[in-house]
Amino acid sequence: EIVMTQSPATLSVSPGERATLSCRASQSVSSNLAWYQQKPGQAPRLLIFGASTRATGIPVRFSGSGSGTEFTLTISSLQSEDFAVYYCQQYNNWPPLTFGGGTKVEIK
Amino acid sequence: EVQLVESGGGLVQPGGSLRLSCAASGFTFSNHWMTWVRQAPGKGLEWVANIKQDGNEKYSVDSVKGRFTISRDNAKNSLYLQMNSLRVEDTAVYYCARAIRTTVTIFDYWGQGTLVTVSS
Repeated sequence: EIVMTQSPATLSVSPGERATLSCRASQSVSSNLAWYQQKPGQAPRLLIFGASTRATGIPVRFSGSGSGTEFTLTISSLQSEDFAVYYCQQYNNWPPLTFGGGTKVEIK
Repeated sequence: EVQLVESGGGLVQPGGSLRLSCAASGFTFSNHWMTWVRQAPGKGLEWVANIKQDGNEKYSVDSVKGRFTISRDNAKNSLYLQMNSLRVEDTAVYYCARAIRTTVTIFDYWGQGTLVTVSS
């Protein structure tokens, strides 16, 4: 099973600032990585797949990068609606599909 | 508009059973792999099981093998999760999700979830 590790667990950022979230895989997942956003009481929302492809309707301030074992989600200028928990998910080696533990982006 | 609506959750004793349903609308259900993902209270996401368009391929996480069964009825646009021998650690919100049509494992639409509580 591929273990996904996200850091930091919590990121405190001021509105308008850049946020950089990390995701590390226990072995290479190539570019088979997705990012999801989840707000309290809501279902997850797909942001990025293929490590860097934005899903339909996702603002350009969200960008993904990386391959192999190291990945980054960057939010270029945080808006109020971006404060949420973010999860990475690998789909290179499955079953099982595995998610990271999440990074909570909170208002500084 | 794509919609996924889960139902069937509730309170059940350890060892009991529940059947979750997910009603799909707004898209051609039979064209997509479907999946169940769960989230224990205050915890992260855990993939549970998925099923191919025709129902002939199914996969699940080891912790539910032999206890949970995923199925679908394309005529009814519905996805199911039969959960037997429930354990306290199965307590979670269960989401159904649709895979992007050309993929198996990237989930572009999710339901709002149904809560399953396993407790005596």
